[in-house]
Amino acid sequence: SQQGEEDPQALSIQEGENATMNCSYKTSINNLQWYRQNSGRGLVHLILIRSNEREKHSGRLRVTLDTSKKSSSLLITASRAADTASYFCATDQGGSEKLVFGKGTKLTVNP
Amino acid sequence: NAGVMQNPRHLVRRRGQEARLRCSPMKGHSHVYWYRQLPEEGLKFMVYLQKENIIDESGMPKERFSAEFPKEGPSILRIQQVVRGDSAAYFCASSPQRHTDTQYFGPGTRLTVL
Repeated sequence: SQQGEEDPQALSIQEGENATMNCSYKTSINNLQWYRQNSGRGLVHLILIRSNEREKHSGRLRVTLDTSKKSSSLLITASRAADTASYFCATDQGGSEKLVFGKGTKLTVNP
Repeated sequence: NAGVMQNPRHLVRRRGQEARLRCSPMKGHSHVYWYRQLPEEGLKFMVYLQKENIIDESGMPKERFSAEFPKEGPSILRIQQVVRGDSAAYFCASSPQRHTDTQYFGPGTRLTVL
C-alpha cells in the first residue's frame, strides 16, 4: 500500500498567500523528505526532517513532523508564481535505502 | 560539480523493441537508484545498485527489466520487448554512500511506447 499520501491532491492560491500541504505515512521512519517537481522535470530536494525532530525551517519553507500521528506538513509562506509545481513527501521506511513517495500535491500559485 | 545526468531525455520505442536508459551519477557517488513515475503518480522504487552490485531489486518487474552499474561507465536500465504499459518517466538518483539521507535526482528519461 502507498506509504506516503499527500493532501490535498491539488491546491490553487494567489501569490503572497501561504500554502500548506500534508503527508501521512504508515510505517516507522528514520526521516521524511519533501521534494518539488516542476512539470516535466526532475525532482529537487527541499528539506529533510529526522524522526526525532518536530519542526524545521529553510527560507520560506517550514516542515513539521508528528511521529505519533505519522504525519508531516509543508508550509510555504509568501508564495510566488515560481512555486507552482508538484510537491512530494518521501519516507525511508525505517532506514531502508529506497524512498517511498506519495502521489503528490499539485500547487498552482496565481500571479 | 555536474548533477546526475540521464540520457536520452526522451525515448520513443515501438512495442517489442528494447529501451536502454543511461544514468551517470554525481561525481564521487557510487550508489544509484532507479525510480519509475507513471502519469499523475508519485515515484516508485525499482532498483538500488552499487558499483558492480545489485543491492535491492525488490521494485523491479520480474521479466523484461534489468539493471547494471559497471565498474566503468554509467548505470543502465534495460527494458526488453517494451509494451505500452512501460510508458513512463524513469528517474535515476545517486548518493555518495550507503545510508545517507538525501538522494540527488536526475532530470529523467521519458519513455513513450507506440
